[in-house]
Amino acid sequence: ETGVTQTPRHLVMGMTNKKSLKCEQHLGHNAMYWYKQSAKKPLELMFVYNFKEQTENNSVPSRFSPECPNSSHLFLHLHTLQPEDSALYLCASSQDPGSSYNSPLHFGNGTRLTVT
Amino acid sequence: DQQVKQNSPSLSVQEGRISILNCDYTNSMFDYFLWYKKYPAEGPTFLISISSIKDKNEDGRFTVFLNKSAKHLSLHIVPSQPGDSAVYFCAASAPYGQNFVFGPGTRLSVLP
Repeated sequence: ETGVTQTPRHLVMGMTNKKSLKCEQHLGHNAMYWYKQSAKKPLELMFVYNFKEQTENNSVPSRFSPECPNSSHLFLHLHTLQPEDSALYLCASSQDPGSSYNSPLHFGNGTRLTVT
Repeated sequence: DQQVKQNSPSLSVQEGRISILNCDYTNSMFDYFLWYKKYPAEGPTFLISISSIKDKNEDGRFTVFLNKSAKHLSLHIVPSQPGDSAVYFCAASAPYGQNFVFGPGTRLSVLP
């Protein structure tokens, strides 16, 4: 496996369900990110982890709960979501924590989430 | 208010010709700019970047130009190929942060 891998690719869940999205990076990077892409909107940053420590939470509702057990793995735990949370959730990694300069994001293929 | 704007939602170009994708930004603190390409059902792929100390960066068929005074950057693809058909995102970041701000994207269609 190379790059950034996300599972599942598609997920349909009810508003009372609990599910988790998984991300794994094989690039030796030290920072990991969750981004959200809603229909007809730009990508929005949700969370940033540097060396397993959360460094940014972009005012994300508590029904989204990230977890980063090590520098290679990132989870997004979902519970009591709303239909408007339906979107493409993208995981990314970058080499240098604490700075975006000259450290581009490498994205996974995303999880297409539908909340019914 | 969008800090990174791509005012053309779509662009069609003939194969072999030049494609020019434009991006404008409002935050004067941005100092690093990137272009990403996205195919359907895939994540965005990094293409090329430029720092604010440069006004041009070239990588093969792709060249990015930065005009800081106008807060404008553009991506030139020469020659355009059908495989370049995708959505292109412009992104920017400020010093000492990890928040890459993305534009809404431009869909490029290269016609054979």
